[in-house]
Amino acid sequence: GAVVSQHPSWVICKSGTSVKIECRSLDFQATTMFWYRQFPKQSLMLMATSNEGSKATYEQGVEKDKFLINHASLTLSTLTVTSAHPEDSSFYICSARRPSARNEQFFGPGTRLTVL
Amino acid sequence: AQTVTQSQPEMSVQEAETVTLSCTYDTSESDYYLFWYKQPPSRQMILVIRQEAYKQQNATENRFSVNFQKAAKSFSLKISDSQLGDAAMYFCAYKTGNSKLTFGKGITLSVRP
Repeated sequence: GAVVSQHPSWVICKSGTSVKIECRSLDFQATTMFWYRQFPKQSLMLMATSNEGSKATYEQGVEKDKFLINHASLTLSTLTVTSAHPEDSSFYICSARRPSARNEQFFGPGTRLTVL
Repeated sequence: AQTVTQSQPEMSVQEAETVTLSCTYDTSESDYYLFWYKQPPSRQMILVIRQEAYKQQNATENRFSVNFQKAAKSFSLKISDSQLGDAAMYFCAYKTGNSKLTFGKGITLSVRP
């Protein structure tokens, strides 16, 4: 299967600072990437869909000014949590869609964010 | 709107036994895809099995198989010869074409040695 990486795998930051999380498709070009948020023992909640070269589409209730998404190339999407607060602490997962007849989605290993 | 329902939050199975995880969904589409994902403690999402709605034959991947009942909108996962490494959270998911994945709430499966 295809490989999707995320960096960092975990990060701790102070309240009020901004944190950037990178998502890379290592062996395929992804025109579409997705960002999810997951709380412990809960399902994945889609935050936004990121399309290369265009603005991200945010799900209802997700603050676009809070969670900035940039999909600058076919292999890289970034999620920046701006002015992070403790309630932003969560597990963030990205996935990348590989263009094909099956339009498969491949998931990154996730990033654990802790805001103090 | 499409919904995916996993009504059992937890299940337990004895090692080497068989367990079935249930999933139902609601859609007005005729062409779609269904998936089961495994999320072990590492939290890496792993695709276990997928089923195309137009295929009548149930998908099988080694010890994992599905019972796809399109009319009933049911998509259960059977794990045979359960192993300790099968312990994880399992998510049922649905999508059409280029649409986003819709996940169920997930079920935590524990395997007793």
